[in-house]
Amino acid sequence: GAGVSQSPSNKVTEKGKDVELRCDPISGHTALYWYRQSLGQGLEFLIYFQGNSAPDKSGLPSDRFSAERTGGSVSTLTIQRTQQEDSAVYLCASKHGTGLNTEAFFGQGTRLTVV
Amino acid sequence: LAKTTQPISMDSYEGQEVNITCSHNNIATNDYITWYQQFPSQGPRFIIQGYKTKVTNEVASLFIPADRKSSTLSLPRVSLSDTAVYYCLVGEDSGNTPLVFGKGTRLSVIA
Repeated sequence: GAGVSQSPSNKVTEKGKDVELRCDPISGHTALYWYRQSLGQGLEFLIYFQGNSAPDKSGLPSDRFSAERTGGSVSTLTIQRTQQEDSAVYLCASKHGTGLNTEAFFGQGTRLTVV
Repeated sequence: LAKTTQPISMDSYEGQEVNITCSHNNIATNDYITWYQQFPSQGPRFIIQGYKTKVTNEVASLFIPADRKSSTLSLPRVSLSDTAVYYCLVGEDSGNTPLVFGKGTRLSVIA
């Protein structure tokens, strides 16, 4: 596609339910990142996929959070047993290659509200 | 990635030039300096990138002194639409190193 696509754009869920957030990166981009951004805050790194390498999960806040990237393309971020503090905008980005000297492209994000 | 320090917020009037400085004392030889811009309710977008001296594009200029321990993003004649958060990133993720953003600088442009 022309850009990074995330779905849904908005998600309201009840506390304790599981949610899945989807990211379609730009075709051919080997690097994919997930971030979380609470209102008025900076971007909190969650997880990083690079090609066929094992993902860097160092930013995941708890074991309720997990992510997969199937076939080196689409990625799904899953949050189990959601809590109110999980409410935030979840942003996905993709990038061609590994070096910082390439541009990362971000999706519009999924706004998650846990009630 | 090299740690960066930038002001939390800045205010400017329309039509003025805005300079946002980022400190990165531990920058390594192979590191690049990249700036991203984030508008409210949107994901960040790439503005400009440089390695040394000066880089200019249609959006901004990036000034990097010889020691590369800091860099300055310059926005000429800002308008209200330049109100955003500006992030400075430094690094060269040759391996499995994530792209880590700091808190950024919140620029507010006032009419």
